[in-house]
Amino acid sequence: AQSVTQLGSHVSVSEGALVLLRCNYSSSVPPYLFWYVQYPNQGLQLLLKYTTGATLVKGINGFEAEFKKSETSFHLTKPSAHMSDAAEYFCAVTHGGSQGNLIFGKGTKLSVKP
Amino acid sequence: NAGVMQNPRHLVRRRGQEARLRCSPMKGHSHVYWYRQLPEEGLKFMVYLQKENIIDESGMPKERFSAEFPKEGPSILRIQQVVRGDSAAYFCASSPPEGRTEAFFGQGTRLTVV
Repeated sequence: AQSVTQLGSHVSVSEGALVLLRCNYSSSVPPYLFWYVQYPNQGLQLLLKYTTGATLVKGINGFEAEFKKSETSFHLTKPSAHMSDAAEYFCAVTHGGSQGNLIFGKGTKLSVKP
Repeated sequence: NAGVMQNPRHLVRRRGQEARLRCSPMKGHSHVYWYRQLPEEGLKFMVYLQKENIIDESGMPKERFSAEFPKEGPSILRIQQVVRGDSAAYFCASSPPEGRTEAFFGQGTRLTVV
């Protein structure tokens, strides 16, 4: 069975600092992995995804994530935080064959201090 | 191309009433997924539908909840005899027929049961 664990329900960084949001997964089959961002009272927007191929995945807004099979991790990073990055971030793994059938982590709220 | 449209955005129901949540997928999408987000929780998969078919309803509560995606018109998530614990944000996502691309999320319906 698949599962996702996001370490840290709240992360606070200063503007311009490195952003690191952690995600570990458990999957009995090769996973497809996703990061979504949710702004207050909004739906989810896809940041990036890993399916196959290159393990370092670049997404929108300067975010990237690296799939590490040996560590069962898919951590999200951004070199320099911007105030507009403040939001909640969700890591997800596919549950079935379709990329819409997902198991989500509990989310990490990112705060960015001026 | 309009995104995934959900209505209403906010819905208030008294205990015991019925709630009907609507989701119009993106143009050309024939796969629909419903998720529920409780406060301080990630999204939980409820049901996966294709036109006129329920593909996976493993996340649906056994009673009071039902979903449909008719040949014409939006997908409907129906909750009968609502209780306070049904208060949550309900998100719909859609993906193209081949199912091999990511799903796109709507902005959600926030159900409050009073």
